[in-house]
Amino acid sequence: GAGVSQSPRYKVAKRGQDVALRCDPISGHVSLFWYQQALGQGPEFLTYFQNEAQLDKSGLPSDRFFAERPEGSVSTLKIQRTQQEDSAVYLCASSLGGDWTYNEQFFGPGTRLTVL
Amino acid sequence: QQPVQSPQAVILREGEDAVINCSSSKALYSVHWYRQKHGEAPVFLMILLKGGEQKGHDKISASFNEKKQQSSLYLTASQLSYSGTYFCGTPSGSARQLTFGSGTQLTVLP
Repeated sequence: GAGVSQSPRYKVAKRGQDVALRCDPISGHVSLFWYQQALGQGPEFLTYFQNEAQLDKSGLPSDRFFAERPEGSVSTLKIQRTQQEDSAVYLCASSLGGDWTYNEQFFGPGTRLTVL
Repeated sequence: QQPVQSPQAVILREGEDAVINCSSSKALYSVHWYRQKHGEAPVFLMILLKGGEQKGHDKISASFNEKKQQSSLYLTASQLSYSGTYFCGTPSGSARQLTFGSGTQLTVLP
């Protein structure tokens, strides 16, 4: 079966532009996560959805970051007025159940964002 | 708070053993382990739960010491395919967050 997919795989944006990153989780997975990964570091939590409900957005670095999952499947991470410090790999992961602490997360390949 | 991993990097020959450690400053009830190869997505290895339950990889073993707030990953008879960066993750915040350590880079040479 298909795994988690993300698009685009690479995105170059000029500072100040808005970008939208898409995540297609594994079908039927309840939990969906977004992470930001800087070079040489571990993934850093951004936000968590259970179905369409965004239950935790405490990791979003500023109000320029916005995520949605309107129908409980596909999710979009939007970054407004991009800054150079937003350059990173953005990873999406999904997990089967709502009790995700006891279930593995399946990661997508990530979107590498470069802000010039 | 981010868990601390050690060592930061290790190089070994095929067939040798390695241990990767993960420690936390707060009480743990589960520890997750993932491996990431360069340019690829992290891949699930194992979850260790309070009480000794484990879920995951058949060929990799791990321990979880709740009192010491530590977990260790044991890689025995390493294969070339074991190369990559290993991350431990621990639930934090409202327990809806998984906080990852900064990783241990493992290189297995022929």
